[in-house]
Amino acid sequence: DTAVSQTPKYLVTQMGNDKSIKCEQNLGHDTMYWYKQDSKKFLKIMFSYNNKELIINETVPNRFSPKSPDKAHLNLHINSLELGDSAVYFCASTPTSGNADTQYFGPGTRLTVL
Amino acid sequence: AQSVTQLDSHVSVSEGTPVLLRCNYSSSYSPSLFWYVQHPNKGLQLLLKYTSAATLVKGINGFEAEFKKSETSFHLTKPSAHMSDAAEYFCVVRPRGSTLGRLYFGRGTQLTVWP
Repeated sequence: DTAVSQTPKYLVTQMGNDKSIKCEQNLGHDTMYWYKQDSKKFLKIMFSYNNKELIINETVPNRFSPKSPDKAHLNLHINSLELGDSAVYFCASTPTSGNADTQYFGPGTRLTVL
Repeated sequence: AQSVTQLDSHVSVSEGTPVLLRCNYSSSYSPSLFWYVQHPNKGLQLLLKYTSAATLVKGINGFEAEFKKSETSFHLTKPSAHMSDAAEYFCVVRPRGSTLGRLYFGRGTQLTVWP
């Protein structure tokens, strides 16, 4: 009955590799997000999708490419990984009607680039 | 412009004593305000939120926060700290009319609870 799930939980990889993180929500929400939490715990939005359509795209290197195959999934693909990409990545979702203010977060994916 | 300032990066209290985590915000529009908690190696959990109803908001685990527009503050309080409250706390603002749900996070306050 997990609401927002992410896989994998931990990801350790070498510089230059390409990796993906997957996110799924079973809440029936229309909007999904990716956030990056740096080593000082600061959270910043990266992307937002509404019904599979990109609506927020922060100043993120184009090595990061989100993909939303359907409104329950938002995956994050990262090309040519760099040391500075090491962080915890959180997926979140929210409905676009009703209780639209609250975002529900996944457990996070800790990415370590060596 | 929107911003959130959490005035203390670390707060330490003894178990059973009151907790006060301070947050000030600036927002171009009347905002919604939230407190989220993050326990070690966990995701973020909503503690409480203010969305223009009652200015004193009660949340889970005995926490509450008061919205003070004149002071642009939304401080989080709890009368009696418990060991399980030790975590990172984030004050978050969502401006009215922001692009679908866009949130602005404070830099977090680490709460330590001593036995």
